Amino acid sequence: GQQVMQIPQYQHVQEGEDFTTYCNSSTTLSNIQWYKQRPGGHPVFLIQLVKSGEVKKQKRLTFQFGEAKKNSSLHITATQTTDVGTYFCAGPPYSGAGSYQLTFGKGTKLSVIP
Amino acid sequence: DGGITQSPKYLFRKEGQNVTLSCEQNLNHDAMYWYRQDPGQGLRLIYYSQIVNDFQKGDIAEGYSVSREKKESFPLTVTSAQKNPTAFYLCASSWGRTDTQYFGPGTRLTVL
Repeated sequence: GQQVMQIPQYQHVQEGEDFTTYCNSSTTLSNIQWYKQRPGGHPVFLIQLVKSGEVKKQKRLTFQFGEAKKNSSLHITATQTTDVGTYFCAGPPYSGAGSYQLTFGKGTKLSVIP
Repeated sequence: DGGITQSPKYLFRKEGQNVTLSCEQNLNHDAMYWYRQDPGQGLRLIYYSQIVNDFQKGDIAEGYSVSREKKESFPLTVTSAQKNPTAFYLCASSWGRTDTQYFGPGTRLTVL
């Protein structure tokens, strides 16, 4: 079945440093979604990318969708303590029937040292 | 206020007892999901439902059961057959099975 892998699993950064997490799928995706889960909280949707090579920005966050629609990245510029949490990517396969659905990666846990 | 509610927030049960976790949504979403999250782990799909009176097993359905009698409600029962039930349980809903998912606040279940 489809697998979605994220690296790194954990990342510790000094406040002000940049951070990047990578998401790789074993199959071509129809879209890629990113979620953030704060410590003790629940995942919250951040953004969805649909087009090959698409880049979207949300303030200090930059999201990219690969040309082959099998990988994606989230880059945070100048991290702040409010960025702490676990970032998940998720995506459905490009085509398929039956039980195909959104598959989540295991997430990257970001810690920011003040 | 639209959204997903889960109750209770914290739940304690004795080993050998069944327990039911509530999940209600007023977003008019067709699809609903149950995930289990263990410390430092990702989201593992337990069950999902795309329409009323229909549901499918996810990756870790053993020891769990669900029902979908109403569009708004998707309760999860953790049975005594579930060997390691202590975890954080998250309910989610979406328009369709590949669409953005909206999560409830979760229920932390502890088996004593």
